[in-house]
Amino acid sequence: AQSVTQPDIHITVSEGASLELRCNYSYGATPYLFWYVQSPGQGLQLLLKYFSGDTLVQGIKGFEAEFKRSQSSFNLRKPSVHWSDAAEYFCAVVLSNDYKLSFGAGTTVTVRA
Amino acid sequence: KAGVTQTPRYLIKTRGQQVTLSCSPISGHRSVSWYQQTPGQGLQFLFEYFSETQRNKGNFPGRFSGRQFSNSRSEMNVSTLELGDSALYLCASSWLQGAGETQYFGPGTRLLVL
Repeated sequence: AQSVTQPDIHITVSEGASLELRCNYSYGATPYLFWYVQSPGQGLQLLLKYFSGDTLVQGIKGFEAEFKRSQSSFNLRKPSVHWSDAAEYFCAVVLSNDYKLSFGAGTTVTVRA
Repeated sequence: KAGVTQTPRYLIKTRGQQVTLSCSPISGHRSVSWYQQTPGQGLQFLFEYFSETQRNKGNFPGRFSGRQFSNSRSEMNVSTLELGDSALYLCASSWLQGAGETQYFGPGTRLLVL
């Protein structure tokens, strides 16, 4: 079945430490890939997206993601987290012949001082 | 440029009532999509409108409907509310319709059904 999987429900990281959030997808073809962030009580903000080309994508707020076709993964990374990065992160995909976003279940990130 | 706006931000209704939510897209955007977010089901696609026509629909009952006006503003209506309709309803807009279009989200309308 087609799906987007975020294996980690909750991650706790110390401020200044690195962060990696995992995302795997299961589709027949490579979809368009997105990472969104949602702060409490807010809507979704786009961090970055991958359509084609360079497999390392730079986004806003110091985030980057790497697309690995062989692993059907699109993991999000940040070298040094800030307390303001505490939020819920969603990986999402869109098939090339579709339009709607299909989201993973989300990963909640807690940042400790 | 102003972002996507949604009104109202919060709503409390009782079972059996109906509700209408409004979404104003980013100026110039012609596509509007709606998503439902619940703790149990996560984020799910409801429907998408482009040029006043519903182009895509998710797997939701007919109680959920919507429309888009000529200025691209969109409304979503839920009739005969059920407790399970309590959710955050998110609207997203994009310039055009298509897989490569980035969707920009509003802050959402939080609906509580009692």
